[in-house]
Amino acid sequence: GNSVTQMEGPVTLSEEAFLTINCTYTATGYPSLFWYVQYPGEGLQLLLKATKADDKGSNKGFEATYRKETTSFHLEKGSVQVSDSAVYFCALMVNTGFQKLVFGTGTRLLVSP
Amino acid sequence: DTAVSQTPKYLVTQMGNDKSIKCEQNLGHDTMYWYKQDSKKFLKIMFSYNNKELIINETVPNRFSPKSPDKAHLNLHINSLELGDSAVYFCASSQGTTGYEQYFGPGTRLTVT
Repeated sequence: GNSVTQMEGPVTLSEEAFLTINCTYTATGYPSLFWYVQYPGEGLQLLLKATKADDKGSNKGFEATYRKETTSFHLEKGSVQVSDSAVYFCALMVNTGFQKLVFGTGTRLLVSP
Repeated sequence: DTAVSQTPKYLVTQMGNDKSIKCEQNLGHDTMYWYKQDSKKFLKIMFSYNNKELIINETVPNRFSPKSPDKAHLNLHINSLELGDSAVYFCASSQGTTGYEQYFGPGTRLTVT
């Protein structure tokens, strides 16, 4: 089946630190991969995506590269800010039939000043 | 203007009651979804409608009945509420059923006492 595994949080960092949140997946076929972010009290927002192997998604200083050989899509940011504190979800969508997002369990990021 | 809106934002009710959650999107999308996020933040799709037709129905108790009166609305009715139904319910929409970004509403926090 299709599944996504994320590192457990919370991840606690100081402002300007480097961020990595690990994500690996299992999928039948060739999935598209996504990172969604959920700020406190809000719904999910798409942060970035990649639709094929070796694609790099990027947005707001965050990056993730679709690695087919390691079935991974790790999220990185060079210098985090307090405003990045949120829950980050890795997700996949298999491109066959009616598509549905399969989410990981989410990783909470806490950034302190 | 809010793209995907849900009402109510909070819902507290007793076991055995029947309740509804409403969702509306003003993005002109033709596909809408309901997701459930449990207390551990795990997100799972429940239903999806395309042009008012049910296309995804995950293993959800038949106490849950979605209804789509038109493409812009997808409501969720829950009969005989149970403690385990306590969760945050997210509505989402997309343009089409394949390869399109899903836009999420702010969520409805349901608490069953």
